[in-house]
Amino acid sequence: AQRVTQPEKLLSVFKGAPVELKCNYSYSGSPELFWYVQYSRQRLQLLLRHISRESIKGFTADLNKGETSFHLKKPFAQEEDSAMYYCALRNSGGYQKVTFGTGTKLQVIP
Amino acid sequence: DARVTQTPRHKVTEMGQEVTMRCQPILGHNTVFWYRQTMMQGLELLAYFRNRAPLDDSGMPKDRFSAEMPDATLATLKIQPSEPRDSAVYFCASGPERGAQFFGPGTRLTVL
Repeated sequence: AQRVTQPEKLLSVFKGAPVELKCNYSYSGSPELFWYVQYSRQRLQLLLRHISRESIKGFTADLNKGETSFHLKKPFAQEEDSAMYYCALRNSGGYQKVTFGTGTKLQVIP
Repeated sequence: DARVTQTPRHKVTEMGQEVTMRCQPILGHNTVFWYRQTMMQGLELLAYFRNRAPLDDSGMPKDRFSAEMPDATLATLKIQPSEPRDSAVYFCASGPERGAQFFGPGTRLTVL
């Protein structure tokens, strides 16, 4: 069974401080991993995918297969980063099932 | 910039009434997902379609919920009869067979 764990429900940081949102997964194959962001009362938006290895809005995430982690990082938090962040895994099998974590609310304190 | 659309955006209804939510996936996407989001349960997968065929609806209460894709441009989620505990935001998402999903704006349902 595949599982995505986001251990923190709420993460509060001061503006300008580094941010790390944790995501651990369990899956026996080669997963696709994503981070989605949801600003207040809006739709979920794709933030990052592991295969593209890009930086969006200053965020990066590296897939660590040894630790089965895909943590989201940003060196300097901005107030506009306050939102819900969801980590998601899509399997590579015939079903391409998608599993979301429970989400972490990031609160950036001015 | 293509987007998933959902109607209605808000729905208030009374317990026992039928509710129909509609979703137009992005043209060319062959997978469609329905999710329910609540404060208590977070994001729950209700149904998953690929090429209009239902692949997984195990997250859906079968006695009152039904999901269909009458054609490639329309997905529907029906609740009959609705109950107060169905109050939530219902999101539709579409995507290619592999890769990211693209979410609609959601339908905020309140059942009184």
